[in-house]
Amino acid sequence: QQQVKQSPQSLIVQKGGISIINCAYENTAFDYFPWYQQFPGKGPALLIAIRPDVSEKKEGRFTISFNKSAKQFSLHIMDSQPGDSATYFCAASKPNFGNEKLTFGTGTRLTIIP
Amino acid sequence: SAVISQKPSRDICQRGTSLTIQCQVDSQVTMMFWYRQQPGQSLTLIATANQGSEATYESGFVIDKFPISRPNLTFSTLTVSNMSPEDSSIYLCSVERAPDTQYFGPGTRLTVL
Repeated sequence: QQQVKQSPQSLIVQKGGISIINCAYENTAFDYFPWYQQFPGKGPALLIAIRPDVSEKKEGRFTISFNKSAKQFSLHIMDSQPGDSATYFCAASKPNFGNEKLTFGTGTRLTIIP
Repeated sequence: SAVISQKPSRDICQRGTSLTIQCQVDSQVTMMFWYRQQPGQSLTLIATANQGSEATYESGFVIDKFPISRPNLTFSTLTVSNMSPEDSSIYLCSVERAPDTQYFGPGTRLTVL
């Protein structure tokens, strides 16, 4: 049972363009939605995260848009650069008395071409 | 954030043997997690390790196959026992530094022949 669905599986964007990755969730108990960036041979790195009390969060070129009613959230990378080429994972967790486990999406391999 | 190291970074092992993976974090943390990431796939939680208590395993993972130790607040080990080629994966530890916020180690790339 896939609790967090991520699309697309792969994405190619030209340098300077906007990269958009989408995720949808089913469990309304989820209350924390992070995005992780993973380069080959490295562990995932926390990129940006949002809670459902806001509809958007921006950090530099990275923005999360959150639609609670649709149970969807997305990552937007503005002015995409070749250094952004990596695999991106969305995730979600729900309150669990200090033992909040992350459920990950399937990942999106992003390639930024010059 | 957190500085997390894992040893070994990679290993090639023969089937039927066991490998112990170490995870060291730069300061004390309550919760540590072990994940498996099969090639080109997403992350799957194996177990949660709290200091001073038995690890809690997710469905599909058992203690006999993946014994975990958590002797103090900065260190944990995961053993992959009686390995088969299907165990070839990247094994990652993570720590929780703030509610919900997990930081990952660099991973251990395991190949079983």
